Amino acid sequence: GAVVSQHPSWVICKSGTSVKIECRSLDFQATTMFWYRQFPKQSLMLMATSNEGSKATYEQGVEKDKFLINHASLTLSTLTVTSAHPEDSSFYICSALGLDEKLFFGSGTQLSVL
Amino acid sequence: GDSVTQMEGPVTLSEEAFLTINCTYTATGYPSLFWYVQYPGEGLQLLLKATKADDKGSNKGFEATYRKETTSFHLEKGSVQVSDSAVYFCALTPNQAGTALIFGKGTTLSVSS
Repeated sequence: GAVVSQHPSWVICKSGTSVKIECRSLDFQATTMFWYRQFPKQSLMLMATSNEGSKATYEQGVEKDKFLINHASLTLSTLTVTSAHPEDSSFYICSALGLDEKLFFGSGTQLSVL
Repeated sequence: GDSVTQMEGPVTLSEEAFLTINCTYTATGYPSLFWYVQYPGEGLQLLLKATKADDKGSNKGFEATYRKETTSFHLEKGSVQVSDSAVYFCALTPNQAGTALIFGKGTTLSVSS
């Protein structure tokens, strides 16, 4: 079946540094990718929707200058958390929408900011 | 706005017990409803779905029926196995192509032998 690879699966960084998370669709082209974050015991909250070759659409309350999303190709989207702070510590999950409109998820990235 | 509410976990069962995880939703229009499962260390996987009222989704012994009158989509399995231990998410999409899913908080199921 279709696979979405998300990397890294976990990362620890110092406050003030930037962290990049990659999301790749391995055997299909993803017209749209979604980025979610999840706090413990909370829902997955949609952060942004990205379409290949265009600017991402951010949900209300999500800082676009802090969470930079690049969807440069049909198989790769990246989320960069800039100048990370402890409150950015969370579980980030990407999902990719194939041309057949089936949705596949990455395994998530646990970010811990010290 | 649209939302999904599912029962708090964790749910702890013995093997072969009956499972119900409740899920209710709030939505305008006619959403599609989903159950996703996340096994330890893996990404979310679609377990089953239903796209209109009275549809029943089923997969791997799990079932859920789209009940418009009660705005519910409860997940059931007659006899759980240890391998069913995972986190289960109820979700909906407003039935527009390419729209993101709206998730519930997830329910952790732990099955012991």
